[in-house]
Amino acid sequence: DAMVIQNPRYQVTQFGKPVTLSCSQTLNHNVMYWYQQKSSQAPKLLFHYYDKDFNNEADTPDNFQSRRPNTSFCFLDIRSPGLGDAAMYLCATSREAPIRDSGAYEQYFGPGTRLTVT
Amino acid sequence: EDQVTQSPEALRLQEGESSSLNCSYTVSGLRGLFWYRQDPGKGPEFLFTLYSAGEEKEKERLKATLTKKESFLHITAPKPEDSATYLCAVQIDNFGNEKLTFGTGTRLTIIP
Repeated sequence: DAMVIQNPRYQVTQFGKPVTLSCSQTLNHNVMYWYQQKSSQAPKLLFHYYDKDFNNEADTPDNFQSRRPNTSFCFLDIRSPGLGDAAMYLCATSREAPIRDSGAYEQYFGPGTRLTVT
Repeated sequence: EDQVTQSPEALRLQEGESSSLNCSYTVSGLRGLFWYRQDPGKGPEFLFTLYSAGEEKEKERLKATLTKKESFLHITAPKPEDSATYLCAVQIDNFGNEKLTFGTGTRLTIIP
């Protein structure tokens, strides 16, 4: 089955120690997203890619970086994790709506990576 | 500013007791409204997309409806396995920007 896969499912890191989360997809979607979700809160978009074009949200801290080496893979790097970065990190994919089309395409989410910072 | 508000925050129902969840939105130019189900510790699972006022979609015990200001997720004769957080999200009319704005969800508990 086509799907979005995230690894690892659980990640424990130390305060200030860099960590990388990974996402892969078999849906062949050209848009990929990274969200941060804290307990009982809505998912918060960090950044997204149209193919290799990177789009950063204005309020995403510089501590968060991303790489997308090819269509299938995307990585989230947290350069110096703080206690406030403990959260669920969700990867999602979607098709890209044509510029002249008014349709909206759903996003498909992976299972998430639960990050703990000690 | 685009806003999505879901109510109630939490809802407890007896098995078989039908009810509705609300998602109200204030956005400029709705392109689509999405409903997701999220189980604890998992990623959101896509349920429905609604595009225009008057549209309805159904799946098993769930039915989603849309007006110009809000959407409802009706759940008929729910079962314990329907317990989850239900998220609503909107996509605005901004060509080339597929960003979703999420509500904080309704946590639904179905008691056997």
